[in-house]
Amino acid sequence: GQQLNQSPQSMFIQEGEDVSMNCTSSSIFNTWLWYKQEPGEGPVLLIALYKAGELTSNGRLTAQFGITRKDSFLNISASIPSDVGIYFCAGVGGSEKLVFGKGTKLTVNP
Amino acid sequence: GAVVSQHPSRVICKSGTSVKIECRSLDFQATTMFWYRQFPKQSLMLMATSNEGSKATYEQGVEKDKFLINHASLTLSTLTVTSAHPEDSSFYICSARGNWNIATKEKLFFGSGTQLSVL
Repeated sequence: GQQLNQSPQSMFIQEGEDVSMNCTSSSIFNTWLWYKQEPGEGPVLLIALYKAGELTSNGRLTAQFGITRKDSFLNISASIPSDVGIYFCAGVGGSEKLVFGKGTKLTVNP
Repeated sequence: GAVVSQHPSRVICKSGTSVKIECRSLDFQATTMFWYRQFPKQSLMLMATSNEGSKATYEQGVEKDKFLINHASLTLSTLTVTSAHPEDSSFYICSARGNWNIATKEKLFFGSGTQLSVL
């Protein structure tokens, strides 16, 4: 089945630093979604991408849908302590099912 | 944005009992809802796809008689864990897909999850 490779698995950064994480796949996806999950909570949608090459921002977050439709990245600029959590990429392919990456755990040191 | 409400948020039950988890779309109609299971420090694993008015579609390896899904209306899907055992302890999360306008198309909104602990 379709799989997503998300990296890095975890990140430890200082407050104010920029963060970048990405997802790649051997399969083509029609939609890429980025979520943030905090302990004991469901994932919260951050950004949705629908077209190859699309670049979308949500505040300090920016995400892009790769031209090949097989990858996507998420950048967080000027990180703050409340950015901590697990970030998941997710892709929607031909089956219309959402496939999740394994997540990137972000720790921000004040 | 679209809101998905999931209840209860936490449940502790005895082995052998059944537990029902509700998932409601509060401000949109969801013809399709999804149920996921998440183990600690793991990603979300799709268990089944729930379609309003028809039988749920289960992923490979998920017992349909164990995890009963009912999607009786466009705003409510329920997951019942029958005869629960300790190995069923997990974080269960529902999600709903909004197709009612272009702003919600293809976006998947999640409930806040249910932590099930079976003693």
